[in-house]
Amino acid sequence: DGGITQSPKYLFRKEGQNVTLSCEQNLNHDAMYWYRQDPGQGLRLIYYSQIVNDFQKGDIAEGYSVSREKKESFPLTVTSAQKNPTAFYLCASRGNTGELFFGEGSRLTVL
Amino acid sequence: AQSVTQLGSHVSVSEGALVLLRCNYSSSVPPYLFWYVQYPNQGLQLLLKYTTGATLVKGINGFEAEFKKSETSFHLTKPSAHMSDAAEYFCAVSAPTGGGNKLTFGTGTQLKVEL
Repeated sequence: DGGITQSPKYLFRKEGQNVTLSCEQNLNHDAMYWYRQDPGQGLRLIYYSQIVNDFQKGDIAEGYSVSREKKESFPLTVTSAQKNPTAFYLCASRGNTGELFFGEGSRLTVL
Repeated sequence: AQSVTQLGSHVSVSEGALVLLRCNYSSSVPPYLFWYVQYPNQGLQLLLKYTTGATLVKGINGFEAEFKKSETSFHLTKPSAHMSDAAEYFCAVSAPTGGGNKLTFGTGTQLKVEL
């Protein structure tokens, strides 16, 4: 089935460690996005990529990094510079009429 | 710049009652508008979208929304609530040209359905 696959679903990190969240899509979409979700704050855009080998910062990019070496893949690294990384992270790709297709999310907890 | 305001972070209705979730937007260009639903610990699922054309849009699970340009609104309705409708609902807006087609989301409305 076509869709967005995020892994892992749950991840625990010690302070000072970098972690990478995986996002893979088989929808043949050019644009992909990473959002962070915190209770009561909706979704906030971290990074987005409109095409392979290109990406832009969103509203809250500090402490995060991404790469887009393949059309299907858009991994997100949460670095030790991110002061409050505990959150629910959502990856999405964009369809032809602007709608986003989301993965099931990855919940990161810092111990 | 674009923004979305969802009035009411929590809405409670009785099973069988009308569901009305409010969304107002701000956009400098004619917008594309979306409603998404999220169940606990899951991703967001598209309920419906407005791009162009008919202003009353029908979606999945019996939901519909009406684009009212004069009121800058895109409220979500369902005539009769079901227990399975309990979830969080997000309204989103995008500008169809430029800006990377980024979606801007509201802060969400948690819908509770009571017996």
